[in-house]
Amino acid sequence: QLQLQESGPGLVKPSETLSLTCTVSGGSISSSSYYWGWIRQPPGKGLEWIGSIYYSGSTYYNPSLKSRVTISVDTSKNQFSLKLSSVTAADTAVYYCARINMHWFDPWGQGTLVTVSS
Amino acid sequence: DIQMTQSPSSVSASVGDRVTITCRASQGISSWLAWYQQKPGKAPKLLIYAASSLQSGVPSRFSGSGSGTDFTLTISSLQPEDFATYYCQQANSFLWTFGQGTKVEIK
Repeated sequence: QLQLQESGPGLVKPSETLSLTCTVSGGSISSSSYYWGWIRQPPGKGLEWIGSIYYSGSTYYNPSLKSRVTISVDTSKNQFSLKLSSVTAADTAVYYCARINMHWFDPWGQGTLVTVSS
Repeated sequence: DIQMTQSPSSVSASVGDRVTITCRASQGISSWLAWYQQKPGKAPKLLIYAASSLQSGVPSRFSGSGSGTDFTLTISSLQPEDFATYYCQQANSFLWTFGQGTKVEIK
C-alpha cells in the first residue's frame, strides 16, 4: 500500500525558505504512470495546489507561486521535495504531498503544519 | 487560470437526507473533475474522478455527474460519517485548481 510522509521544520522565519520532503513508501517514485504533487491548506481555509513533478524532473507550478517555488525529485531516496522562498505569514499552512494518478490526487500524506513566524 | 466555484459554501442536513453540491468551472474542462472529502485534521480523500467514476472503496451513495462547466456531487442518503467538507478539483493542461469547499453540517 502506497504511503507518503511529509517531513521538515514546523517553524520558519519570515523571508527565509521553507523546505519540505515527501518520502514515498510501498511503491516507486520512478513509476512512469504518476506525477507527484504538493498542496497546501492555510488554517481554516481551502486547498491550494502548489506544484507537481514527474520522476524525470519535469515540473508544473501554480502561476501564483511560480516565482518562489522549486520542486525536485530524488529517485535514489524515493523522495521529492518542496522549497518555497521568501515566506511570509500568508504561507502558514498545512502542507500535503500526494501522488497524482492521471490528474487525481490519491493518496495523500498526513500533512505537516508549517508556521511562518519570527 | 480556470476558477472553480462551489455552491453552497455550507449545507445543514439530517441523516438520511439527499445532499447535492455543485461545482462550476470558469471554462470548459470536459470531464476532468474530481471530488474529495476532508474531515477535520485529516488529509482529503478522493471520492469521484473523471466527473462520475467512483473511487475504489467509496460507498455507492456517492455519485458525480456533469461535463463541460457544470458538475454535481450527490450523496443519496447522508450517513453520520459523511459530515465533512467536500472539494471539487479540476485538471486542465497540468494546472490543477480546487473549489473553495462545501461544508456539510448536522442539522
